[in-house]
Amino acid sequence: AQTVTQSQPEMSVQEAETVTLSCTYDTSESDYYLFWYKQPPSRQMILVIRQEAYKQQNATENRFSVNFQKAAKSFSLKISDSQLGDAAMYFCAYSTSQGGSEKLVFGKGTKLTVNP
Amino acid sequence: NAGVMQNPRHLVRRRGQEARLRCSPMKGHSHVYWYRQLPEEGLKFMVYLQKENIIDESGMPKERFSAEFPKEGPSILRIQQVVRGDSAAYFCASSPMDRENIQYFGAGTRLSVL
Repeated sequence: AQTVTQSQPEMSVQEAETVTLSCTYDTSESDYYLFWYKQPPSRQMILVIRQEAYKQQNATENRFSVNFQKAAKSFSLKISDSQLGDAAMYFCAYSTSQGGSEKLVFGKGTKLTVNP
Repeated sequence: NAGVMQNPRHLVRRRGQEARLRCSPMKGHSHVYWYRQLPEEGLKFMVYLQKENIIDESGMPKERFSAEFPKEGPSILRIQQVVRGDSAAYFCASSPMDRENIQYFGAGTRLSVL
């Protein structure tokens, strides 16, 4: 079974600085998807970024980018120019791409605090 | 295009009562997923449905829990004879019939069992 591990329960960053959140996963599949979701205090799960495992190029969405290391099974999220609105729980998630049930497997999350 | 709608947002039940949680997927989406989030935890998969079919229920407890996604109307997650351990946030997500694997989440239903 696939597992996702987020080793940092909490992280903090100064406004306008850069922070990196770590995620590792375990799978025997060669093709899959990886995601970062953000959950602010409102509890709404918001998709931040998505990476397809067969693509070597790291995904980027504005101030958010990933460092995808397939051999190391590592998928970290970098947030540049941090803003107060980035404060939230961040969840790393895995999904198979091999048909059937594309359920998401989540890590336990990292709570990000942004200090003014 | 309205997002995934879940209701109610908050549901309070006494032990032994039934809880019914509703989820209306985004327009054009035919895949629905239910997840449960316990305090201080990530989301855990429960069940995956397409219209009138349960595709994967590997995360559902064997007893008291059931789910449906009828041809017409919202998807329903039903918990019979609730116990205190059922207290959690329940999230629904929907996705379209493509291969992009992107799931869009509702705001969740927080179930409190007294």
